[in-house]
Amino acid sequence: DTGVSQNPRHKITKRGQNVTFRCDPISEHNRLYWYRQTLGQGPEFLTYFQNEAQLEKSRLLSDRFSAERPKGSFSTLEIQRTEQGDSAMYLCASSGQGLVAEAFFGQGTRLTVV
Amino acid sequence: AQSVTQLGSHVSVSEGALVLLRCNYSSSVPPYLFWYVQYPNQGLQLLLKYTTGATLVKGINGFEAEFKKSETSFHLTKPSAHMSDAAEYFCAVSGLDTGRRALTFGSGTRLQVQP
Repeated sequence: DTGVSQNPRHKITKRGQNVTFRCDPISEHNRLYWYRQTLGQGPEFLTYFQNEAQLEKSRLLSDRFSAERPKGSFSTLEIQRTEQGDSAMYLCASSGQGLVAEAFFGQGTRLTVV
Repeated sequence: AQSVTQLGSHVSVSEGALVLLRCNYSSSVPPYLFWYVQYPNQGLQLLLKYTTGATLVKGINGFEAEFKKSETSFHLTKPSAHMSDAAEYFCAVSGLDTGRRALTFGSGTRLQVQP
């Protein structure tokens, strides 16, 4: 396994368009996280899955943001009606069982809204 | 809620000099603390973590950090900087409001190493 994989690595979209990002976690990991990182800031937690269950989604930035993990494997993050303020790096991480199991991060998807 | 403050957005040291990156946290419960490193165009990589037990934690690449409850600090140190240490470093605390699953990150410190 080569780690957490995110696609695409870069996405440029026009304001108002919808975008979807994909994250493939490390295969044996049952927990998956999405974070957003803007320039000069640390990652900001968005949402978290344990298997296919989305256990925390109150941190999603607005109702334009949604995430799924339908079979408990890969996950998608969708942003509808993108705005320029959505431009950021979107990071995915996965971890195994255990209270402080290490979270492994993907390289992220950089979104630019023009 | 938890929060993390990293003092100094940029730190510059000479190769071979001591590296000290500062992190203070706020948490209403005993914290779990982490340091991550991010190289350009790379994902975040865990350097070290503190959960319970020994307050001096050793990590990869010669880094270590000491948990000081009285000072609510978790500063990262390395005795001798190497050019390859140039990167962005993030301190993080686990999120109690998500069952300690998610992390709350500081804003990061960019380390420059001068030859």
